[in-house]
Amino acid sequence: AQTVTQSQPEMSVQEAETVTLSCTYDTSESDYYLFWYKQPPSRQMILVIRQEAYKQQNATENRFSVNFQKAAKSFSLKISDSQLGDAAMYFCARASGTYKYIFGTGTRLKVLA
Amino acid sequence: EAGVAQSPRYKIIEKRQSVAFWCNPISGHATLYWYQQILGQGPKLLIQFQNNGVVDDSQLPKDRFSAERLKGVDSTLKIQPAKLEDSAVYLCASSSSLNYGYTFGSGTRLTVV
Repeated sequence: AQTVTQSQPEMSVQEAETVTLSCTYDTSESDYYLFWYKQPPSRQMILVIRQEAYKQQNATENRFSVNFQKAAKSFSLKISDSQLGDAAMYFCARASGTYKYIFGTGTRLKVLA
Repeated sequence: EAGVAQSPRYKIIEKRQSVAFWCNPISGHATLYWYQQILGQGPKLLIQFQNNGVVDDSQLPKDRFSAERLKGVDSTLKIQPAKLEDSAVYLCASSSSLNYGYTFGSGTRLTVV
């Protein structure tokens, strides 16, 4: 089965500290894309960061970076200098040439002041 | 640019009633998706349109769910008759290109009582 697994239902981080959210996936394809989405209580899914599988360099967007381990099929998200506004559900997703996304079950991130 | 518009934002209906949701994607986005997000789970694809044609509806419960995208722009998703297990957030998303990720709307929260 083509699945995306997020093994941490909930994580907490102190404001200004760093947290890492885990994601593993299963695919038989060689060309695919990986994403992290943030979903605040407003429900709108917001793209945080994306990674093309053919690129070895880990993607970075300001305080957000990924650790992409293709052989291990692992795609973790690191949030540095955590802010109160980072509190949300975070979803890992995989997409391939069919343009279809498969999402994980999400990790709820709490940021403690 | 304007985002993906969805309406209504909330809907409460009794089981066996009918309901319809509307989505207006970002202008020029050829691909439109409807996702169902049950509480505590990640979004699950219901149907994918490319312009006004259906690309994937393999997970759409066709005995009660229907969707259309007239003229390749707006889309409606209908449930008739609704069941209690249809209670969820229905997210619409659009995309112009796979590697840029989706743009999601704010979703419609459906409660079936």
